[in-house]
Amino acid sequence: EFVLTQSPGTLSLSPGERATLSCRASHSYSSNYLAWYQQKPGQAPSLLIFAASSRATGIPDRFNGSGSGTDFTLTITRLEPEDFAVYYCQQYGPSPMYTFGQGTKLEIK
Amino acid sequence: QVQLVESGGGVVQPGGSLRLSCAASGFTFSNYGMNWVRQAPGRGLEWVAFIRYEGSNQYYADSVRGRFTISRDNSRNTLYLQMNSLRDEDTAVYYCAKVLGKMATMGLVDYWGQGTLVTVSS
Repeated sequence: EFVLTQSPGTLSLSPGERATLSCRASHSYSSNYLAWYQQKPGQAPSLLIFAASSRATGIPDRFNGSGSGTDFTLTITRLEPEDFAVYYCQQYGPSPMYTFGQGTKLEIK
Repeated sequence: QVQLVESGGGVVQPGGSLRLSCAASGFTFSNYGMNWVRQAPGRGLEWVAFIRYEGSNQYYADSVRGRFTISRDNSRNTLYLQMNSLRDEDTAVYYCAKVLGKMATMGLVDYWGQGTLVTVSS
């Protein structure tokens, strides 16, 4: 079974600080198929990053994805008030089992 | 603009059935794979099922395989999820989700519906 484990579960930071979110895969696979989503309360998720490091359309450059193999990172430089939300990583291919991580809640300190 | 509007959610008893629909507009529906993704109350996201743009292949999460069926009607721009033998743990908001990339087979989502709540309870 393929599992994505996100850490930390909750991250408490202040606006203007840097956030580093981790996503670890249970075994290595092509990093071309790793995405990050943001979800705010009461809303559907929205796509931030795909192919591990490519920003989706309209996503500010303070959002950066990196990593390969089994370890992936989402970095948010200079947190804005609207960035406080839950973040999910997802393996979206090539195997047709499109697993999500359990999420990291980014909260205001 | 892309719109995905789910319907069909509600309260159903364990062992019952329900069919969800998702009406798509603002893009050429027949060119894109589609997913269903669910979220139990207060929990994370769980991918449920995928169907290719032309409907030839469907993939399912282990938790729903054999009970749920994803289908589509490209003439009606509509996606479906037939849910049978429902269990308490199927209680969730179900999202219809469009794949990024024309004719792509993958779970990457660029547009989501607003979700429809399914509650399985006696």
